[in-house]
Amino acid sequence: ELKVEQNPLFLSMQEGKNYTIYCNYSTTSDRLYWYRQDPGKSLESLFVLLSNGAVKQEGRLMASLDTKARLSTLHITAAVHDLSATYFCAGFQGGSEKLVFGKGTKLTVNP
Amino acid sequence: KAGVTQTPRYLIKTRGQQVTLSCSPISGHRSVSWYQQTPGQGLQFLFEYFSETQRNKGNFPGRFSGRQFSNSRSEMNVSTLELGDSALYLCASSLEPPNTEAFFGQGTRLTVV
Repeated sequence: ELKVEQNPLFLSMQEGKNYTIYCNYSTTSDRLYWYRQDPGKSLESLFVLLSNGAVKQEGRLMASLDTKARLSTLHITAAVHDLSATYFCAGFQGGSEKLVFGKGTKLTVNP
Repeated sequence: KAGVTQTPRYLIKTRGQQVTLSCSPISGHRSVSWYQQTPGQGLQFLFEYFSETQRNKGNFPGRFSGRQFSNSRSEMNVSTLELGDSALYLCASSLEPPNTEAFFGQGTRLTVV
C-alpha cells in the first residue's frame, strides 16, 4: 500500500529565504500531486507531476519528481507572507482512484 | 466553469443522529471521491464513485455510505454519528479515470456534539 511521507511537518521561515519541502513515497507512483490548503479552506491544486524528471514552476514555487528515488520536492524561492499555508503531496494508490496524502507541511512565512 | 460544489458548508449534529452531505462535480466529470480531514488523522479516503458505481472504499465503518446519481452528483451519509466523526468532509471530482487530476470542493464542516 502506498505511503506518503512529508518533511518537515512544520516550517517557519523568514521572507526572502529559500527552502525545500520533501515528499517520499513508498511504492511506484507515476503521478504526484501538490496541493495547498489555507486555514478552513479546501485544497487548491498546485502541480501535477506526470513523469520522472518532471519539473514545474509557478511563481515562487517549483516542484520536481524523481520516480527512481520515489521523491518529490517543492522548492520555495524568496518566500513571501502570502505563501503561508499547509502544503500536501499526494499520489494515487496503484490501480485505484484513491489519493493517498502526506500529513502536510504547515508553512509560516514571517516578515 | 463552475467548480465542485458541496452543501451544506457547515453542520452541527447530535450524537446518534445521521447526516447526508451533497457534492456536485464539475460539469463533465464522472468520478467523485470523498475524503475526511481531521487534525489527528489528516486526509483519509472514504470512497470513490464512477458512473453510479462505488469502485473504491477506504477503511471506514459501515456507518459511512454513499451513492452517485446518473447526473454524477454524489451524496454521502453517516449514520449513528459519533463525536469522532467531527471533521471536514471534502469531495473531489475528476474526468474519466484512471489517475486524472482531482479538483476539490470547499468542503462540509461537520461538528458532532
